[in-house]
Amino acid sequence: GAVVSQHPSRVICKSGTSVKIECRSLDFQATTMFWYRQFPKQSLMLMATSNEGSKATYEQGVEKDKFLINHASLTLSTLTVTSAHPEDSSFYICSARDFKVVDTQYFGPGTRLTVL
Amino acid sequence: GENVEQHPSTLSVQEGDSAVIKCTYSDSASNYFPWYKQELGKRPQLIIDIRSNVGEKKDQRIAVTLNKTAKHFSLHITETQPEDSAVYFCAATTGTASKLTFGTGTRLQVTL
Repeated sequence: GAVVSQHPSRVICKSGTSVKIECRSLDFQATTMFWYRQFPKQSLMLMATSNEGSKATYEQGVEKDKFLINHASLTLSTLTVTSAHPEDSSFYICSARDFKVVDTQYFGPGTRLTVL
Repeated sequence: GENVEQHPSTLSVQEGDSAVIKCTYSDSASNYFPWYKQELGKRPQLIIDIRSNVGEKKDQRIAVTLNKTAKHFSLHITETQPEDSAVYFCAATTGTASKLTFGTGTRLQVTL
């Protein structure tokens, strides 16, 4: 089946620093990738939709200057959390949609971000 | 935009019993409804999905039903096993390039 990897799996950083998270589709091309945030015992909240070669579409309430998204190729999207603060600590999960299989999204393993 | 409600939030069943989780959606244009299983600290895993041109789909012990008129869909797990214990999320989308809207999740616990 389709495999999506995410790196790093866990990161701890100091307040004010930036953190980059990579999401890769390993065996398929993903024209669209999605970035979610999940707080403990809560559902997945979509942050933004990333389209290869174009600007990301952010959900209402998500600061695009704080959460920078780049989707430079059909297999890689990156999320950079800039000037991270403790309230940004969360589980960040990406998903990718195989352009040959309409609708189905495959999720990465997630990145646990802890901001001290 | 789409709004997906999910019930119950927690569900405890005995091993071997059936479990049913229900979701309702608001956007009549939604046409794809996946169900995900998420274990603690892990990624959501697609377990079954259904499209709007189908009323029911079954895969071994798991089945999903869809009522487009009432705008609700349900997940049915029969002969539950301890390894079925996890959080289950329903989702809906209008399809092509559109985002998934997730339900709030159901924590299923299967007891011995």
